[in-house]
Amino acid sequence: ETGVTQSPTHLIKTRGQQVTLRCSSQSGHNTVSWYQQALGQGPQFIFQYYREEENGRGNFPPRFSGLQFPNYSSELNVNALELDDSALYLCASSFISGQGKDEQFFGPGTRLTVL
Amino acid sequence: SQKIEQNSEALNIQEGKTATLTCNYTNYSPAYLQWYRQDPGRGPVFLLLIRENEKEKRKERLKVTFDTTLKQSLFHITASQPADSATYLCALVNPSLYGNNRLAFGKGNQVVVIP
Repeated sequence: ETGVTQSPTHLIKTRGQQVTLRCSSQSGHNTVSWYQQALGQGPQFIFQYYREEENGRGNFPPRFSGLQFPNYSSELNVNALELDDSALYLCASSFISGQGKDEQFFGPGTRLTVL
Repeated sequence: SQKIEQNSEALNIQEGKTATLTCNYTNYSPAYLQWYRQDPGRGPVFLLLIRENEKEKRKERLKVTFDTTLKQSLFHITASQPADSATYLCALVNPSLYGNNRLAFGKGNQVVVIP
């Protein structure tokens, strides 16, 4: 186990609704990244938070937003859900030290289904 | 745009043999490359990291090579076991390009080890 937890495990929403996914990082880590993994695809980078500030964003629209809290837990919010948002959402925590090791520890993911 | 290619066909291999997976990339200059293992319904698990100035890295039965001229990494599992059956993802990182350690993943390559 990586020490990274995510909730909920599964979620079913309908188109147009809003969803909040949660992640608890590994102790001592200062960075959390969120990825979207569609079936049969590799994870796609959504954004990263470093010390509570957004630190880079992938090719996702503004209806994908996030927060990182002082205890390094994190939320991913998705507004106006679309069918294509159905995927496994992964959070990954790491400790950026500037030494280029940057191994990322992934949680088990939240499976989101949009109907 | 950047492309990271892994073989879409599953690799079926007899127990005890060496499994070799390929990761090719274009339009990208990674500072380092990582390999992850992913089991169904689970988050990726970090296996190995290799830097752009390293040719080869080993860890137990795993070996990774990195050729920045060919823009290719090879991942080997020697003396393969049924427990090695999983999907293996390659991921590229360039922190100085993006200002963060975002991972750019390939689609993954499934390995099935036959007893």
